[in-house]
Amino acid sequence: EIVLTQSPGTLSLSPGERATLSCRASQSVSSSYLAWYQQKPGQAPRLLIYGASSRATGIPDRFSGSGSGTDFTLTISRLEPEDFAVYYCQQYGSSTRTFGPGTKVDIK
Amino acid sequence: QVQLQESGPGLVKPSQTLSLTCTVSGGSISSGGYYWSWIRQHPGKGLEWIGYIYYSGSTYYNPSLKSRVTISVDTSKNQFSLKLSSVTAADTAVYYCAVNWNPNWFDPWGQGTLVTVSS
Repeated sequence: EIVLTQSPGTLSLSPGERATLSCRASQSVSSSYLAWYQQKPGQAPRLLIYGASSRATGIPDRFSGSGSGTDFTLTISRLEPEDFAVYYCQQYGSSTRTFGPGTKVDIK
Repeated sequence: QVQLQESGPGLVKPSQTLSLTCTVSGGSISSGGYYWSWIRQHPGKGLEWIGYIYYSGSTYYNPSLKSRVTISVDTSKNQFSLKLSSVTAADTAVYYCAVNWNPNWFDPWGQGTLVTVSS
């Protein structure tokens, strides 16, 4: 099973600032099979990024993903008020799909 | 636009079987390329993938839950279901159903349903 670690646990930023979230895998994720999700309180997760860098339908271009192998990054170029939430990475490079523990982006 | 809705008891007694159903609307569960997954989230915690099913009935389960999990599909009702046996308080969680593309990422998700295991 591939274990995903996310850092930092919490990121305190102000609207308009840039957010950089990290996801590290315990072993290489084949073919960049990594996705990112956003979850707000009381809501289901929403797909943001798949294939490490492809934005899902309707996702603003301020969200971008990068990385390969064991290190992946989600970047939010300029935080909007609606972006304060918890973000999870998920790998699908191995048969058992796993999620990271999440990074909470909160308002400074 | 495919939408999913979970349904089932919100309270289950320890040692009993948790049973949930996901109803799919806006698309056919028999559409090729889509797999149908269950995922859970313990209160205040992260996400745990439980398993998926294809419309043909083929399944794959998370090894950590495999001995207790059964996922089935009813194409005539456009539904798929989860059964989790011998539950304990550790199975208390919000349970989500989701479309699992290819089966890789999950999109969209149902709204989730809280299941509490308690006597």
